[in-house]
Amino acid sequence: QQPVQSPQAVILREGEDAVINCSSSKALYSVHWYRQKHGEAPVFLMILLKGGEQKGHDKISASFNEKKQQSSLYLTASQLSYSGTYFCGTEIVNNNDMRFGAGTRLTVKP
Amino acid sequence: DVKVTQSSRYLVKRTGEKVFLECVQDMDHENMFWYRQDPGLGLRLIYFSYDVKMKEKGDIPEGYSVSREKKERFSLILESASTNQTSMYLCASSFERVINNEQFFGPGTRLTVL
Repeated sequence: QQPVQSPQAVILREGEDAVINCSSSKALYSVHWYRQKHGEAPVFLMILLKGGEQKGHDKISASFNEKKQQSSLYLTASQLSYSGTYFCGTEIVNNNDMRFGAGTRLTVKP
Repeated sequence: DVKVTQSSRYLVKRTGEKVFLECVQDMDHENMFWYRQDPGLGLRLIYFSYDVKMKEKGDIPEGYSVSREKKERFSLILESASTNQTSMYLCASSFERVINNEQFFGPGTRLTVL
């Protein structure tokens, strides 16, 4: 029931863009995105709901393709502060029973 | 400022010991969760609770039990610790059945079982 994330890891230079994908074998109600910096707790970035639009703040945005049961997280013009592990979490129905992917480790270098 | 606290950042126990991990949240959240985090496996749900004295099994409940006697506190119990339970344990909480049911995480407890 865990969603599948890709890639497992990505290394960027400052200013470069990245896309992280999250896919599920089941129809989804929502997709959450979290970022975890080394040694810290995961922190919520955004939620995308079934029937909802693409979300974003600053240079981080995400889309949700319900038909393909996929979500993508877009990081544009990456900054050093974007480094960390990104997790997607998926809900099949609105019952707070969420499953997380294995994570994507993003490293941004100067 | 919302807060989820966990009783210990680091814990070392012996095989066979009974281990208690405590989690407290101050946000009046209905839902509380216990995950374990292992490299390459991400966050795996052990148990969650949507109300006092209520619990639901997650994907990996074997070897664990939980207790929720008060709304703000959710305990994870390892009845007889084994070396394969060495891991990072994360607690989280959220509101019940709202559209934006963001989970707030604690800092984690790194448990080593020798």
